Amino acid sequence: DAGVIQSPRHEVTEMGQEVTLRCKPISGHDYLFWYRQTMMRGLELLIYFNNNVPIDDSGMPEDRFSAKMPNASFSTLKIQPSEPRDSAVYFCASSSSLQGHVVFGQGTRLTVV
Amino acid sequence: AQKITQTQPGMFVQEKEAVTLDCTYDTSDPSYGLFWYKQPSSGEMIFLIYQGSYDQQNATEGRYSLNFQKARKSANLVISASQLGDSAMYFCAMRERDAGNNRKLIWGLGTSLAVNP
Repeated sequence: DAGVIQSPRHEVTEMGQEVTLRCKPISGHDYLFWYRQTMMRGLELLIYFNNNVPIDDSGMPEDRFSAKMPNASFSTLKIQPSEPRDSAVYFCASSSSLQGHVVFGQGTRLTVV
Repeated sequence: AQKITQTQPGMFVQEKEAVTLDCTYDTSDPSYGLFWYKQPSSGEMIFLIYQGSYDQQNATEGRYSLNFQKARKSANLVISASQLGDSAMYFCAMRERDAGNNRKLIWGLGTSLAVNP
């Protein structure tokens, strides 16, 4: 298995632009998580899905952030419009109800200038 | 109140020695799980070890072991025979079920470990 695949690995964009981060979870995993990591706030859960359904989006900072999971093998996190304070590493992770641990993707390092 | 507490922002250990990274937790869910992850400077999050709340034995994975003290609500990570490659951030996390009976993972703020040659 290739693991959780995120793209792009790095993204540099200008303030005000739309940013879309992509994730392919591990096949068979029914939970998908989006996290944001910064030096100031550590690892924050933004949203998670169970069987493609958003369960808890209380961590989404504001309406500029949205996430979708149209099918079991794909999810997106979109920021529109982006702001410099959105600069962070965004992780996608997945897990199975039958398995103990969460598997993380390599992360997307987002820089908004 | 913090659900996961890692009281050591930074730790140093001499190569080949053992080190214990502290983690305490708080939950009312009787069926929970505890995890440790390693994040080296390259940034990826690497799963190390898992302990279920009903597990009778302390979890072990190679040089990693989890000192699970349920009554004290602590789940300390012990790394034996430290290696230079162990230098990284270490995160403790707890999985519990929320009000909707869905799993949620709660994270500590991490401990930075530096292994000295």
